Amino acid sequence: ETGVTQSPTHLIKTRGQQVTLRCSSQSGHNTVSWYQQALGQGPQFIFQYYREEENGRGNFPPRFSGLQFPNYSSELNVNALELDDSALYLCASSTRQRSSYNEQFFGPGTRLTVL
Amino acid sequence: DAKTTQPTSMDCAEGRAANLPCNHSTISGNEYVYWYRQIHSQGPQYIIHGLKNNETNEMASLIITEDRKSSTLILPHATLRDTAVYYCIPDGGGTSYGKLTFGQGTILTVHP
Repeated sequence: ETGVTQSPTHLIKTRGQQVTLRCSSQSGHNTVSWYQQALGQGPQFIFQYYREEENGRGNFPPRFSGLQFPNYSSELNVNALELDDSALYLCASSTRQRSSYNEQFFGPGTRLTVL
Repeated sequence: DAKTTQPTSMDCAEGRAANLPCNHSTISGNEYVYWYRQIHSQGPQYIIHGLKNNETNEMASLIITEDRKSSTLILPHATLRDTAVYYCIPDGGGTSYGKLTFGQGTILTVHP
């Protein structure tokens, strides 16, 4: 069973640029959630995708957007990058069932630095 | 979501039990208590969860007080690899499925 993978591992961008981060969910998982983790803080929920539809969003502006593909992999896009967007971006996958508990499987993250 | 209070940091000697407390006095009746940990430079990892009863798995034990206002995660024989940030997260599932609210967590350092 392949775990959650993310690419790239590290990324450096300049303010105003756009970035796309990628996540391959664990085999058989249909739900992907994205989190932002600033240095020294706990992860903050950005949004979730379930069966290719956005299914909940945290307190993040519209320049944070995403996609989920038929194979359940996912992308996080951030437009008009700001310095405060520098963070570790984590994705987590799981299988949503009626009685699922909240065990999320996290990838290793993408470290984004905005200069 | 219920608010949580955890110690900022704790130390433990290798081989001894590590007891990590969490206060969640505003937890509602249908909210489970989840524990995750994050080892440096890795994504968070699920450890255990419970509602009312004490729970045990291969990683840890979870003790929840009868009034459910607090809980303790127990690592029975801590190793150096257990050094991590530990997060206590009340969550009701349902519409919040997959949307975990992480706090600051407890930095556990296991010493040789």
